[in-house]
Amino acid sequence: ETGVTQTPRHLVMGMTNKKSLKCEQHLGHNAMYWYKQSAKKPLELMFVYSLEERVENNSVPSRFSPECPNSSHLFLHLHTLQPEDSALYLCASSQGTGDGNTIYFGEGSWLTVV
Amino acid sequence: QKEVEQDPGPLSVPEGAIVSLNCTYSNSAFQYFMWYRQYSRKGPELLMYTYSSGNKEDGRFTAQVDKSSKYISLFIRDSQPSDSATYLCAMSMIKAAGNKLTFGGGTRVLVKP
Repeated sequence: ETGVTQTPRHLVMGMTNKKSLKCEQHLGHNAMYWYKQSAKKPLELMFVYSLEERVENNSVPSRFSPECPNSSHLFLHLHTLQPEDSALYLCASSQGTGDGNTIYFGEGSWLTVV
Repeated sequence: QKEVEQDPGPLSVPEGAIVSLNCTYSNSAFQYFMWYRQYSRKGPELLMYTYSSGNKEDGRFTAQVDKSSKYISLFIRDSQPSDSATYLCAMSMIKAAGNKLTFGGGTRVLVKP
């Protein structure tokens, strides 16, 4: 069982819908991330939060809106998505000390936009 | 040119063979190197973490870093069917919370019984 849990695991949404992905980490980490994984492409970093402040926004379209209310929870709000946004969305967390570069992933949320 | 290059495979080996995986990178500022394993429809899980050039061993897994050649490797000894997965290399420049990892595209490995 992973220390990073994501819900829902699968989501199908229309292009006009609004939905949210949720992530919770139980590892006591102080940084959280959203990554996107599409077929035949490397993992793409979308957002990074460190100590609940956004430190990186990798030129992600505004139809993706992150929210980090505390160090254990991270959301990705989705609205007016496109079919090409269909992908596996991975949440991850890390701790800034020790092996601070190692990030730990959740099992992902499979998103299909129809 | 991609920052991190990794052969997508698939790499098919018989059970018990040594699996050899590698990544090359272009940015000499990368200092920290990781290997992740990802089973189908699951999130990646960390296998190995290395910093300095040289070898690091953990059970059946050996990670090798050659910073002068900008080349990293992962070896899996006595491979098992359960090792069938996609293996991702990742690297970063700094060691801090919220740091950015750059990933290779992953190599799919199939270990046949």
